[in-house]
Amino acid sequence: KNQVEQSPQSLIILEGKNCTLQCNYTVSPFSNLRWYKQDTGRGPVSLTIMTFSENTKSNGRYTATLDADTKQSSLHITASQLSDSASYICVVSAITGYALNFGKGTSLLVTP
Amino acid sequence: GAVVSQHPSWVICKSGTSVKIECRSLDFQATTMFWYRQFPKQSLMLMATSNEGSKATYEQGVEKDKFLINHASLTLSTLTVTSAHPEDSSFYICSAILRTDTQYFGPGTRLTVL
Repeated sequence: KNQVEQSPQSLIILEGKNCTLQCNYTVSPFSNLRWYKQDTGRGPVSLTIMTFSENTKSNGRYTATLDADTKQSSLHITASQLSDSASYICVVSAITGYALNFGKGTSLLVTP
Repeated sequence: GAVVSQHPSWVICKSGTSVKIECRSLDFQATTMFWYRQFPKQSLMLMATSNEGSKATYEQGVEKDKFLINHASLTLSTLTVTSAHPEDSSFYICSAILRTDTQYFGPGTRLTVL
């Protein structure tokens, strides 16, 4: 069964600090992995996408890593800002079909 | 590019009434759109896959007669919640495919059934 597990479930950090979110998956055959940011009451917005051959991808203060061998990914947020407070969702696609496999997300709260 | 809009952004209705939610791809044509439902602090759950010009494919456990989907054009799909009840209150999100592996999500519609 295709599964995506994220940790931690929630995280509180001080503004300006860094943090790392984790994603483990069992989706096979693997196509790509995306990290989305979802603000409360809004739809998800794509931050990064990585395919099998990519092991790191950056988007501003967001850096995602992928280890396709261990089926693990991380999202590192540098110099956090209050606006980073949101849910971060790891989504993994299989090669077959359009179906997306969603993690439950990590709820991040950045405090002053 | 690749913007997906939803209308309305929120709706409150009485129990027993029907509510229609629109999903539009603004700057691209989408042969396939998806409808998701998201409960508080939960991940998105796929409800159905909507293909232009054909019947939608519903996920197991989703009542097709309750959640009517129409994909009338390459830029518009609608979800109608018929005879809505309080348990249908949720956050409904659509997405559209630009390329085979890229789904772009709409901003969501908050439905509250009183």
